[in-house]
Amino acid sequence: DSGVTQTPKHLITATGQRVTLRCSPRSGDLSVYWYQQSLDQGLQFLIQYYNGEERAKGNILERFSAQQFPDLHSELNLSSLELGDSALYFCASSERGNQPQHFGDGTRLSIL
Amino acid sequence: GESVGLHLPTLSVQEGDNSIINCAYSNSASDYFIWYKQESGKGPQFIIDIRSNMDKRQGQRVTVLLNKTVKHLSLQIAATQPGDSAVYFCAENRGQAGTALIFGKGTTLSVSS
Repeated sequence: DSGVTQTPKHLITATGQRVTLRCSPRSGDLSVYWYQQSLDQGLQFLIQYYNGEERAKGNILERFSAQQFPDLHSELNLSSLELGDSALYFCASSERGNQPQHFGDGTRLSIL
Repeated sequence: GESVGLHLPTLSVQEGDNSIINCAYSNSASDYFIWYKQESGKGPQFIIDIRSNMDKRQGQRVTVLLNKTVKHLSLQIAATQPGDSAVYFCAENRGQAGTALIFGKGTTLSVSS
């Protein structure tokens, strides 16, 4: 058990809809990262937050957004969903930068 | 774009053998590397890390070697067990996107008994 909790484990929805994925980092970790894993693209970094502030952006679409709350949990919002958004979405946390990132078990998003 | 690559997509070994999984990276500025293990239905699990000021680091049954001259990283697993069967990823921090990790495509390790 990595200590990172992601909910829900599975989400099935339709194109055009909006969903919210939730992540609770390990106790004491201030950095939260979101990654997308698909068969063709592998694991891709989306966005990072550190202690409530956005720290870095990767290949995140404009339809996607995230935030980190004062209690350090984070949410990833995906809107105007398309079939190609079907993937596994992982959250990871670390105490600070350049420390091991510990991953949750992900949310599997299926767009029908 | 650039990515951390792996030499072999699959590796099959016998139980008890030593396994070596290789990874090539392209950015000389990368200073932190991690190996992850991912089992079906789970998230990547941290195995071992190494910083660029080192060339070798050992853990329990695992050793990571870093060759900065040829930009090569390897993971050695001693006495491989069926429970080691999984997909293994190397990841690097390039410093371009904060401390985010860039992942390679993964090697599937299959251990037969």
